[in-house]
Amino acid sequence: ETGVTQTPRHLVMGMTNKKSLKCEQHLGHNAMYWYKQSAKKPLELMFVYNFKEQTENNSVPSRFSPECPNSSHLFLHLHTLQPEDSALYLCASSHDRGDTEAFFGQGTRLTVV
Amino acid sequence: AQKVTQAQTEISVVEKEDVTLDCVYETRDTTYYLFWYKQPPSGELVFLIRRNSFDEQNEISGRYSWNFQKSTSSFNFTITASQVVDSAVYFCALSESGYGSARQLTFGSGTQLTVLP
Repeated sequence: ETGVTQTPRHLVMGMTNKKSLKCEQHLGHNAMYWYKQSAKKPLELMFVYNFKEQTENNSVPSRFSPECPNSSHLFLHLHTLQPEDSALYLCASSHDRGDTEAFFGQGTRLTVV
Repeated sequence: AQKVTQAQTEISVVEKEDVTLDCVYETRDTTYYLFWYKQPPSGELVFLIRRNSFDEQNEISGRYSWNFQKSTSSFNFTITASQVVDSAVYFCALSESGYGSARQLTFGSGTQLTVLP
């Protein structure tokens, strides 16, 4: 039990599909994050939410659309993706304090065909 | 801007050998936090340790130990008597966030550790 749960674990979608990734945390954290992990590249921070408000969007294409309805849930809506978007998408959560660590989910392995 | 460098892309050792994973960081802040995470094949990043910039004491936890040296901006991680289960990708990360702001971790590119039986 990691405290951060992501669904689905694996997703294959066509370039014209619309799908959503879900993240849920039961740790009482205020902040939630989406990271992208591509092969042979460092983890890339995509979005940050603090108390349900988006505080960071690291130049992510509009085909990725985040949603944070409450502090426990985070979604990533996907539409008209490209093959280069295939990656492991990791969700994380943390307190909004510098002296704490972030906890990660197991990720969604996304393949765009 | 903050930056984390893990120069070792891949390391292979034989079981029971000691191995050190290097991490060098750059930051302009005087208060920052350093982390190590382990990513097994399952994908989840597992938190291993957090170190505050004002605490330079080294730490030992079982077979794991960490050497934090501000003078060289390094935060190296040593596994003693490695085991096959230690095989994973290890990430070093840096955060400059303080109170009231969401953490933004900058990760190194990771070191793939393979422990051979």
